[in-house]
Amino acid sequence: EVQLVESGGGLVKPGGSLRLSCAASGFTFSTYTMYWVRQAPGKGLEWVSSIGSDPKYIYYADSVKGRFTISRDNAKDSLYLQMNSLRDEDTAVYYCAREQGGHYLWDYWGQGALVTVSS
Amino acid sequence: DVVMTQSPLSLPVTLGQPASISCRSGQSLVYSDGNTYLSWFQQRPGQSPRRLIYKVSNRDSGVPDRFSGSGSGTDFTLEISRVEAEDVGVYYCMQGTHWPPTFGQGTKLEIK
Repeated sequence: EVQLVESGGGLVKPGGSLRLSCAASGFTFSTYTMYWVRQAPGKGLEWVSSIGSDPKYIYYADSVKGRFTISRDNAKDSLYLQMNSLRDEDTAVYYCAREQGGHYLWDYWGQGALVTVSS
Repeated sequence: DVVMTQSPLSLPVTLGQPASISCRSGQSLVYSDGNTYLSWFQQRPGQSPRRLIYKVSNRDSGVPDRFSGSGSGTDFTLEISRVEAEDVGVYYCMQGTHWPPTFGQGTKLEIK
């Protein structure tokens, strides 16, 4: 059974840092492109970042470029999102998602990790 | 970015009755390979999104056949033939044809 489990969320002050993790199981993690998608409280969904099975393929939304860093450790079947210089507007539930078949065909999502940026 | 516009944003439905959600994109979602990368997601209260439909009309495994997707080009529709209580939640369309992927605003389905 495919499972994606996020961790690392919490409360952080503006300008602070946080690192999210997504533990994958039930599939060959190293062969899949993985994503982070976020949802601000009461709002819609926003793509944040992606990393290919070949980690040289990395992309970011303009809203987080230069502040967030996506990475993966295939030996640990894990996806990460290092978030620096956090702003109030980064407050959201962050989901990791798996792509099957290209073109953002996200077939499995984690349960999400809540990040709250507040002083 | 491609703007995805859903309507209605709120959809009160009587149990057992049909429901329909429209999604329009700011430009054609037909990719050069001939496929149209339009997906529909359901988000029940307190849960993460779950994909229902991909490439316009393909139902995911385990999705009841009362859900169907249709459309082409820039106009797409999600239909529920007979709404059940478990269908309550927010429905999002999403395009994956153009970078970056973008979502509609969401349609909140509730029971009358």
